[in-house]
Amino acid sequence: DAKTTQPPSMDCAEGRAANLPCNHSTISGNEYVYWYRQIHSQGPQYIIHGLKNNETNEMASLIITEDRKSSTLILPHATLRDTAVYYCIVRVDTGTASKLTFGTGTRLQVTL
Amino acid sequence: GAVVSQHPSRVICKSGTSVKIECRSLDFQATTMFWYRQFPKQSLMLMATSNEGSKATYEQGVEKDKFLINHASLTLSTLTVTSAHPEDSSFYICSARSTVNTEAFFGQGTRLTVV
Repeated sequence: DAKTTQPPSMDCAEGRAANLPCNHSTISGNEYVYWYRQIHSQGPQYIIHGLKNNETNEMASLIITEDRKSSTLILPHATLRDTAVYYCIVRVDTGTASKLTFGTGTRLQVTL
Repeated sequence: GAVVSQHPSRVICKSGTSVKIECRSLDFQATTMFWYRQFPKQSLMLMATSNEGSKATYEQGVEKDKFLINHASLTLSTLTVTSAHPEDSSFYICSARSTVNTEAFFGQGTRLTVV
């Protein structure tokens, strides 16, 4: 699976949009971009994933560049409960045995 | 989303004893489950892939005789840490993926402390 690069930490004011970048310059054509987050002392939580097109769900939006070498996760209105470590992972979807390899992630701190 | 439950959430054991951690998929069948370990302030490290009805596949550097994995049914996988030592103290997390959804779902984790 392709490696990803994320900034180690970011701050965001509550109510503002949090934009978390991820570089995956060696991504292959059949690899998806997944985002998970981990709140302290809990298991990771799925947020969103995409292949080429931008995606949006109730939690966040995922913007993937046209060359697919980078992406941005957007939390439109960050709250204190969004404070967590956010992981960007690229993975080939080869069925249920396809494993996730976690990098170091971005520690997002949402402040008042 | 699908629910994965781990038990216990927290356990303290004496050095030299064994500890079993359970991972259950509550509302879907999981032919494959994954076990991760996370040390403080570090990322999740995949330990092994657990396959229902067959032997687990361990990542390089993970001792299969120390971390016994059993996946006897489509909804249950267990991880047994044998002859635990203080350096085995860690946060252990399982995940599973259904055949319907492409995303993996994670348990809440088990905090193991070996004293």
